[in-house]
Amino acid sequence: SQQGEEDPQALSIQEGENATMNCSYKTSINNLQWYRQNSGRGLVHLILIRSNEREKHSGRLRVTLDTSKKSSSLLITASRAADTASYFCATDVRARDDKIIFGKGTRLHILP
Amino acid sequence: EPEVTQTPSHQVTQMGQEVILRCVPISNHLYFYWYRQILGQKVEFLVSFYNNEISEKSEIFDDQFSVERPDGSNFTLKIRSTKLEDSAMYFCASRGRGRDTGELFFGEGSRLTVL
Repeated sequence: SQQGEEDPQALSIQEGENATMNCSYKTSINNLQWYRQNSGRGLVHLILIRSNEREKHSGRLRVTLDTSKKSSSLLITASRAADTASYFCATDVRARDDKIIFGKGTRLHILP
Repeated sequence: EPEVTQTPSHQVTQMGQEVILRCVPISNHLYFYWYRQILGQKVEFLVSFYNNEISEKSEIFDDQFSVERPDGSNFTLKIRSTKLEDSAMYFCASRGRGRDTGELFFGEGSRLTVL
């Protein structure tokens, strides 16, 4: 069954605006991660937030985690054309650390 | 900077043929993974591998699939008899020691086309 589900599926915004993507999951987790994928390329790790953390920042990225709602959000501030990519959340399954499941992803398009 | 490398970058094969996809994980990593992504769709977990054995596998990873770490560096995915629906990008990933090191490092993928 699908562990992580992102929304929206696709998002187009103007350069300079903020982009927010959401992820919901089903089971208890140890941590949640966000990855980025440029078209046809491998996934690149962006940020990891542990289940006992509520918010984390890295540069223009801000991630929140609400374990009571089983949801997370990724905020990219002051978007740039180079941020155009697909973004995936990934969760482990608490009792099964070696199974890291990805959501369907959000395709983000930054308009110049 | 250490990276995960995958070969071949693209393989075209006939249905029913065996395919081996190769990966060289980052050298001091202990956990290894295969994922696949059908064009434009979600990234699907296939299998994880630790301490020379499979630790988790998905429903996709049936008897047609196998993984091996034949030496200290390579990690291979074998598909014994390919089907049309096996056409996808296959990504290898590795992770460092310790359960707190969650970050996966991905290769650039091997595109498999089954005709």
